[in-house]
Amino acid sequence: TQLLEQSPQFLSIQEGENLTVYCNSSSVFSSLQWYRQEPGEGPVLLVTVVTGGEVKKLKRLTFQFGDARKDSSLHITAAQPGDTGLYLCAGPPPTQGGSEKLVFGKGTKLTVNP
Amino acid sequence: EAQVTQNPRYLITVTGKKLTVTCSQNMNHEYMSWYRQDPGLGLRQIYYSMNVEVTDKGDVPEGYKVSRKEKRNFPLILESPSPNQTSLYFCASSPLGQKTYGYTFGSGTRLTVV
Repeated sequence: TQLLEQSPQFLSIQEGENLTVYCNSSSVFSSLQWYRQEPGEGPVLLVTVVTGGEVKKLKRLTFQFGDARKDSSLHITAAQPGDTGLYLCAGPPPTQGGSEKLVFGKGTKLTVNP
Repeated sequence: EAQVTQNPRYLITVTGKKLTVTCSQNMNHEYMSWYRQDPGLGLRQIYYSMNVEVTDKGDVPEGYKVSRKEKRNFPLILESPSPNQTSLYFCASSPLGQKTYGYTFGSGTRLTVV
């Protein structure tokens, strides 16, 4: 059973479009993180959200943590080809408090065409 | 530059021939972990270490060994590799007790076992 479900699995859009990807769980998470992975490289942390309802912005990227801390979304405004990559959400398993372990969703593979 | 260094980046080997993938970090992080990434399955944890001489199994430990003799190094050992261990492997590190810090990942090792 996947603790973190990401949707859509694949997304191909044109430069300049807006998009939203989702990370959902039936469990409550103390925090969630978003990573971006480019081909041939390891994931790189974009943001951590901790408080229910929290919204964080990173240039054209907006991250939101659900009020109940069971879901998160990533919205990209005016996507650019440089946004292409695999977007992963991750969080500490709810049953392993105090551990540094992270569980990952399977990711959304985003392609932004020029 | 703060980083996690994995070697080699690419490796093709034959079934049963012991191999070691090295991982080294220069950030004085206590926590280190190995993940494998497979299409359709995402990132799955193999082993982790909370500090020197402290290691434990992750979700998919079968066929792997690790050691943590020094804080900076966390090698992954495949004593008798099999084709089902063909995968993309990532080493990651983080400080303990700072859940918003996230993981720093290496660039990955693509292993093919024939």
